[in-house]
Amino acid sequence: SSELTQDPAVSVALGQTVRITCQGDSLRSYYASWYQQKAGQAPVLVIYGKNNRPSGIPDRLSGSSSGNTASLTITGAQAEDEADYYCNSRDSSGNHLVLGGGTKLTVL
Amino acid sequence: QVQLVQSGAEVKKPGASVKVSCKASGYTFTGYYMHWVRQAPGQGLEWMGWINPNSGGTNYAQKFQGRVTMTRDTSISTAYMELSRLRSDDTAVYYCARDRFPVGATTAADYWGQGTLVTVSS
Repeated sequence: SSELTQDPAVSVALGQTVRITCQGDSLRSYYASWYQQKAGQAPVLVIYGKNNRPSGIPDRLSGSSSGNTASLTITGAQAEDEADYYCNSRDSSGNHLVLGGGTKLTVL
Repeated sequence: QVQLVQSGAEVKKPGASVKVSCKASGYTFTGYYMHWVRQAPGQGLEWMGWINPNSGGTNYAQKFQGRVTMTRDTSISTAYMELSRLRSDDTAVYYCARDRFPVGATTAADYWGQGTLVTVSS
């Protein structure tokens, strides 16, 4: 079982805002990174650290954290944002990395 | 440009071992940790561990300790992940992924290999 918990599925209307969350005790101490994975492709890093985007990632994707919850927010969701999203942080010991179970985002 | 090219698909019998390679190019291989992540069919991502290509030091997820070995050959800028005593539930796509930051293991992996499908079947 994962130490990071994500909702299995979330949907959003085209152009609306959606928040994908990740919960875990270790998030009180460590930031989460976020990955986007489209069908049949390798994951892509979209958010890391407090709220940093690698080059090429649109600024409609943003990250935040509060208490034991990390969030990925997509402001003005586009059809190309439909994908699986995974959070990644450290486990409760801090010694190992752990990934959330993933959230399937559907853009309606 | 940074590239990670992995070895081809493998079919193995239960109890056997598999060794997946990940050849890096476009950057200083010894300067960035390499992670290994796997994904079973229709399932989520699972972190397996990392290797420091400079020192050869490793850190494995508890689930895989005793069965996984991560190594590297700096002369050819290649990382390896070997998994032993294979079971049917090890059937998955295995990815190598380079850490974004030099000389450290973080949660941010910014370049990924194309993945290697390992099928375990009798």
